[in-house]
Amino acid sequence: AQSVAQPEDQVNVAEGNPLTVKCTYSVSGNPYLFWYVQYPNRGLQFLLKYITGDNLVKGSYGFEAEFNKSQTSFHLKKPSALVSDSALYFCAVSSYNTDKLIFGTGTRLQVFP
Amino acid sequence: NAGVTQTPKFRVLKTGQSMTLLCAQDMNHEYMYWYRQDPGMGLRLIHYSVGEGTTAKGEVPDGYNVSRLKKQNFLLGLESAAPSQTSVYFCASKVTGANVLTFGAGSRLTVL
Repeated sequence: AQSVAQPEDQVNVAEGNPLTVKCTYSVSGNPYLFWYVQYPNRGLQFLLKYITGDNLVKGSYGFEAEFNKSQTSFHLKKPSALVSDSALYFCAVSSYNTDKLIFGTGTRLQVFP
Repeated sequence: NAGVTQTPKFRVLKTGQSMTLLCAQDMNHEYMYWYRQDPGMGLRLIHYSVGEGTTAKGEVPDGYNVSRLKKQNFLLGLESAAPSQTSVYFCASKVTGANVLTFGAGSRLTVL
């Protein structure tokens, strides 16, 4: 069975500092990994994905994520946080042999001026 | 293109009442999904469909039924609403072979 863990309910960071939002996963077979962002009263928006290839993937708004197979992790990162990055971030996992995308519980990112 | 449209956006029900949430997509996507979002629980998959006339159970299907009579529409029904079904419901869709979901704006349901 697939599962995703986001160990932090909230991450606080000062504007201009680097940020990391953590995600670990469990899936049989090779994972397909995703990050989505949700702004207040909106649906989820796709940020980036890892399917295969380079372990470091770059996405929208300057975000990137690193796939680490040995640690079964897919942490979201950004070198310099913006106040406008404040939102709810979801990690999700799927694989080639399933049609289902399973989400984590979400991490609220708060960037302070 | 409207993308994924959910109706209604808000609804208040009394316990035991029934209702249907409609999801419509104009992107010719084969796959459609219904999720519910609850504080501290993230998004949980209720039911999904891999094509017209097909449906399958997700993580939390109990108390819900779905139908996909037309490719562009995916209906989520509550036959007898319960307070535990108070939630925000999201519909999403994708094409075959793609991995990225397109989400609707959500439907907030309150069951009293």
